[in-house]
Amino acid sequence: EDKVVQSPLSLVVHEGDTVTLNCSYEVTNFRSLLWYKQEKKAPTFLFMLTSSGIEKKSGRLSSILDKKELFSILNITATQTGDSAVYLCAALTGANSKLTFGKGITLSVRP
Amino acid sequence: DGGITQSPKYLFRKEGQNVTLSCEQNLNHDAMYWYRQDPGQGLRLIYYSQIVNDFQKGDIAEGYSVSREKKESFPLTVTSAQKNPTAFYLCASEGELAQHFGDGTRLSIL
Repeated sequence: EDKVVQSPLSLVVHEGDTVTLNCSYEVTNFRSLLWYKQEKKAPTFLFMLTSSGIEKKSGRLSSILDKKELFSILNITATQTGDSAVYLCAALTGANSKLTFGKGITLSVRP
Repeated sequence: DGGITQSPKYLFRKEGQNVTLSCEQNLNHDAMYWYRQDPGQGLRLIYYSQIVNDFQKGDIAEGYSVSREKKESFPLTVTSAQKNPTAFYLCASEGELAQHFGDGTRLSIL
């Protein structure tokens, strides 16, 4: 059975802090690892990682994949209150593009 | 505007009733997906469809049914056989980079 585990499950930080969110996976026919941000409604796409060791960056957010150790991290630097959300990690597998999600990490950024 | 539209936003169901959740996309995507999200559970795949007139069960298909008669539309029916239907339901379609989601429908049992 495909499995994606995120840690920690929740996190409270102060504005300006740097956070690292973890995602490990055990799946068959792995294709890519995706990160989404969910505030109130629809998850919004952040990154798709397919190759090991290549960092993807968007503003204060960055992410990297380690296919040997089967994990990914999402870093957020200089956090802002607007970063408060649930961060979802998902493994894309197989020819049918099935996504297996972790339970999500609830990040709260205090002013 | 291109996107995925789910309706209604909130839905209430009486015990024993079937209800249908709508999902429409104008992105010309072939693949569409239905997920269920419960607190602390992440998203779980209910059904998916790679192409019109074809669909497959996901991990938690029991008590649900779908149809895919048109490329734009992928409605989900929550049947009375689903014993715990209260949840947030998300529809997605797959673009070049990733699956993109609608705003969801929150279903509650009266």
